[in-house]
Amino acid sequence: NAGVTQTPKFRILKIGQSMTLQCTQDMNHNYMYWYRQDPGMGLKLIYYSVGAGITDKGEVPNGYNVSRSTTEDFPLRLELAAPSQTSVYFCASSGSYNEQFFGPGTRLTVL
Amino acid sequence: AQTVTQSQPEMSVQEAETVTLSCTYDTSESDYYLFWYKQPPSRQMILVIRQEAYKQQNATENRFSVNFQKAAKSFSLKISDSQLGDAAMYFCAYRPGQGGSEKLVFGKGTKLTVNP
Repeated sequence: NAGVTQTPKFRILKIGQSMTLQCTQDMNHNYMYWYRQDPGMGLKLIYYSVGAGITDKGEVPNGYNVSRSTTEDFPLRLELAAPSQTSVYFCASSGSYNEQFFGPGTRLTVL
Repeated sequence: AQTVTQSQPEMSVQEAETVTLSCTYDTSESDYYLFWYKQPPSRQMILVIRQEAYKQQNATENRFSVNFQKAAKSFSLKISDSQLGDAAMYFCAYRPGQGGSEKLVFGKGTKLTVNP
């Protein structure tokens, strides 16, 4: 049981490039989330999903897109990367009324 | 919108001593959950303790306990017999009890240093 896995662990992008952060969970959780954590700050919600085919914006969605075609996968797409998107990205999942389980994070640098 | 405030950016404690981390939150809801997460240098977010708002009894997990004051909207974390491995960032988080999305709102965190 791997829990929540994220790839890649580290990535450096040039301004204007695009990439997809992958997130997979094997706990059959309906709820999945993407957060970003800027230095010295708590986590802020980017997007979330309450089930396959259903996604919604969080607090800081601009510059990102998501999809949820399966229960297990919840990829986060960055289009036209900007330096302001330099951050650590966490994916999480949750079953009903349980705590959120977090992946190990992806450190992204945009230069 | 709900907000979570951690007023102590940094705290330090001597090994084997007790330390209390503060957290206040703002909500108009009566049904919600509160959490403390630990983030060591590895960056992994680890759940430390959870409190349901409808429960009057304070949650306890081994050396970790909370002081939940619902009327004051306060949720402090007490770490007893502090160990070097307790050194980390600690985040307080709030989640509404109903609504279906179970979104977490995080405070900015408190950096805990444990001195040998």
